[in-house]
Amino acid sequence: QKEVEQDPGPLSVPEGAIVSLNCTYSNSAFQYFMWYRQYSRKGPELLMYTYSSGNKEDGRFTAQVDKSSKYISLFIRDSQPSDSATYLCAMTEYNFNKFYFGSGTKLNVKP
Amino acid sequence: GAGVSQSPSNKVTEKGKDVELRCDPISGHTALYWYRQSLGQGLEFLIYFQGNSAPDKSGLPSDRFSAERTGGSVSTLTIQRTQQEDSAVYLCASSLARYEQYFGPGTRLTVT
Repeated sequence: QKEVEQDPGPLSVPEGAIVSLNCTYSNSAFQYFMWYRQYSRKGPELLMYTYSSGNKEDGRFTAQVDKSSKYISLFIRDSQPSDSATYLCAMTEYNFNKFYFGSGTKLNVKP
Repeated sequence: GAGVSQSPSNKVTEKGKDVELRCDPISGHTALYWYRQSLGQGLEFLIYFQGNSAPDKSGLPSDRFSAERTGGSVSTLTIQRTQQEDSAVYLCASSLARYEQYFGPGTRLTVT
């Protein structure tokens, strides 16, 4: 069983839709939870991070962590064509020695 | 300032040859990570350097893979006797040993 599971999609939505991206994990020691965005032929870039459980909002993006269910989510409001990319969840323990990534969900926002 | 750079951006090699991939991290970043990303797959951890500590090599898939980091800065990932299954994008990231990693653009390796 993989440490982190993520639906690869692809996910296709119309512009303006609310997008929900999710990951599940098995290691209860994970403390930091990140979402990265990766455009084609580029390296991933950090979108948001959350420490432990809770919600965090940044503009059109909201990250949620439910440690009791080992489930994290990223919501994108008013999605734009420029949001079209692959979204990777990542998580790590308190010492940042090793990061575990999901396989990525490819999102396409249609104009 | 400059971000993480990697070279070459693309590498095509014949099966059985050795390859070296280079990573220049952000100046001052103490932590450096190598990952492998195969088509449709997430990032597979390979190796982690932190300051002067011994590297965490637990992700290296075989003894054909090795990496070093000279002077706490530039890192080289070496793959000996390449196999077709080594074809992937190799990504390097650096950080201040926190949650935030800064990734380079990757080296796309194709083994023919």
